[in-house]
Amino acid sequence: DQQVKQNSPSLSVQEGRISILNCDYTNSMFDYFLWYKKYPAEGPTFLISISSIKDKNEDGRFTVFLNKSAKHLSLHIVPSQPGDSAVYFCAAKGDSNYQLIWGAGTKLIIKP
Amino acid sequence: GAGVSQSPRYKVTKRGQDVTLRCDPISSHATLYWYQQALGQGPEFLTYFNYEAQPDKSGLPSDRFSAERPEGSISTLTIQRTEQRDSAMYRCASSQDRQETQYFGPGTRLLVL
Repeated sequence: DQQVKQNSPSLSVQEGRISILNCDYTNSMFDYFLWYKKYPAEGPTFLISISSIKDKNEDGRFTVFLNKSAKHLSLHIVPSQPGDSAVYFCAAKGDSNYQLIWGAGTKLIIKP
Repeated sequence: GAGVSQSPRYKVTKRGQDVTLRCDPISSHATLYWYQQALGQGPEFLTYFNYEAQPDKSGLPSDRFSAERPEGSISTLTIQRTEQRDSAMYRCASSQDRQETQYFGPGTRLLVL
């Protein structure tokens, strides 16, 4: 039973356009969400996070949106660049819980 | 160190053999995590340490799996009597404390033949 789901295994986007990566979760106790980015042969690296008390967090080209009622979050990358091609993982945790629960990842391909 | 390092990067072993994986966390980080990642999946929590204490090992799949962090820095994950289903990427991460962002190493890919 996956508590964090990333239903798109891959996504292809034209350079310069917006990339939208989606993540759904089932546990209403989750109150902190993170996106990690992973290049081949490297470990995941932290990208951006959002607390459940917010519905949006922005950092440069990256914005994460949280819809608590729908138990849905999304990562927007604008504009998309070739270096953004990677696997993106969504992860969640409760405030008192150190465990991260991960989605299966979405492979983003930015086409020139 | 500057980042989290893991060794070996790749390990091929025969079923029934024991393997030990090593993680060297960021030097200032109190908390260290071990994850197992199957192909096409996200990492799954195995265990974590707060300095040398191991408060939670609930994610370890069986008693063949054990982890240590005797001096609160470097950690090892040992799998005894390996089985083919143990084949996976094993990832280590560290954080300043358990509430903070986790930084990951490159992982050890284990293949059990």
